[in-house]
Amino acid sequence: QKEVEQNSGPLSVPEGAIASLNCTYSDRVSQSFFWYRQYSGKSPELIMSIYSNGDKEDGRFTAQLNKASQYVSLLIRDSQPSDSATYLCAGSQPGRRALTFGSGTRLQVQP
Amino acid sequence: GAVVSQHPSWVICKSGTSVKIECRSLDFQATTMFWYRQFPKQSLMLMATSNEGSKATYEQGVEKDKFLINHASLTLSTLTVTSAHPEDSSFYICSASPSGTGVDEKLFFGSGTQLSVL
Repeated sequence: QKEVEQNSGPLSVPEGAIASLNCTYSDRVSQSFFWYRQYSGKSPELIMSIYSNGDKEDGRFTAQLNKASQYVSLLIRDSQPSDSATYLCAGSQPGRRALTFGSGTRLQVQP
Repeated sequence: GAVVSQHPSWVICKSGTSVKIECRSLDFQATTMFWYRQFPKQSLMLMATSNEGSKATYEQGVEKDKFLINHASLTLSTLTVTSAHPEDSSFYICSASPSGTGVDEKLFFGSGTQLSVL
């Protein structure tokens, strides 16, 4: 099992809809979790971080973490065409600052 | 948020030459920086952890003699790709977090360097 797994997509949603991005992780990656957005040819930019079970909301974004199921998700409400990008899920191992990334899910928001 | 500057943004070089990439933390000190590599349509893969004043720690499968890392100050780490070959063509990204923060603190990424080896 990969340490962080994501569906590569593309995930296509209409403008204004909710986009749901999912990620599962292995036992090695259990400390903290992050969602990054990456546009083509650019470096990742942090959207959300989540450390505890439950939901965390920031504007149009909600991150959800379920440690029992080893599952983390990102919801994007009122999706905009500018949200079209690859979304990377990342986790950290206990005692390490370096992040382990999933392969990313490409999101396409249709106008 | 904290700023990490990476230079150059892109570089084209001939096979067999060496290329140096710089990563600077502009408004914070970083005792540790990380170097990642990303091939097209793939995720970021950690290459090595750069430690200020000491040797870098390389991930399994990464050749330390080919990818030389120097972290001479609290704000600068460099990655030198020695004797570059076409298969080294990739997007190289550095990241750092402010010193003294806990392991849960977020990492800040440089803008990346696209290396093309002819």
